[in-house]
Amino acid sequence: AQRVTQPEKLLSVFKGAPVELKCNYSYSGSPELFWYVQYSRQRLQLLLRHISRESIKGFTADLNKGETSFHLKKPFAQEEDSAMYYCALSTGGYNKLIFGAGTRLAVHP
Amino acid sequence: SAVISQKPSRDICQRGTSLTIQCQVDSQVTMMFWYRQQPGQSLTLIATANQGSEATYESGFVIDKFPISRPNLTFSTLTVSNMSPEDSSIYLCSVESGNYGYTFGSGTRLTVV
Repeated sequence: AQRVTQPEKLLSVFKGAPVELKCNYSYSGSPELFWYVQYSRQRLQLLLRHISRESIKGFTADLNKGETSFHLKKPFAQEEDSAMYYCALSTGGYNKLIFGAGTRLAVHP
Repeated sequence: SAVISQKPSRDICQRGTSLTIQCQVDSQVTMMFWYRQQPGQSLTLIATANQGSEATYESGFVIDKFPISRPNLTFSTLTVSNMSPEDSSIYLCSVESGNYGYTFGSGTRLTVV
C-alpha cells in the first residue's frame, strides 16, 4: 500500500539556519510527489511538486527514487516560513493524494 | 488554478443531527475529493466523487454515514450523518488542478456537542 512518512512532528530552527523537512514514501510505481503548506488560518496550498522542479519561496525538493525520498530544503529559513508542511503522494492521473502526518516548522528570530 | 468555495466555514452541531457541506468550483472538474482532518492529525481521504456515478469510499468510510452528491461538474456536497463528538473535525474538498496540483477548499470546522 502507498504510504508517506514524515518522521518529525516539529522542527524548530533559528532564522537564517538551513532547513530540511524529511519525507519518505512507499509506492512501487512512479509517484507524483508534492509539498503542501498551511500557514496559520489559511487554506492548504501547493508549495511545489517534483515534476515542475521549481524553487518556490526558496524551497526545493528533489525526488530520490533510490531512497524513496522527497525531502524539502531551504538554505536560510525565514520567520514567515513558520507553518505546517505536508508531503503528499499521488499515483498519477486523477488519483487521490495520500498525505504524510505533517511537520510543523517553527522559525525563531 | 481552480478556485473552490466551501461552506459553511464552521458549525457547532448537536449529536444525532446531520450537516451538509457544500463545495462549488469555478471550473468544470472530473473528480472531487473529500478529506477529513481530525484534531492534530493529517488529512485522510473520505471519498472520491465523480459526476454521474456513485462516489468511491475509502476503507473505514461508508455511504450511510457520509453520503455525497455530485449533481454536475462544478458542485458537490458531503453530508455527515447522525453525528457524534468523534466526527468533530475539519472537512475539506479538493480538485485536481492541472499544473497547480490539487486545490483545496478553505475547510469546514465541525464541532459536535
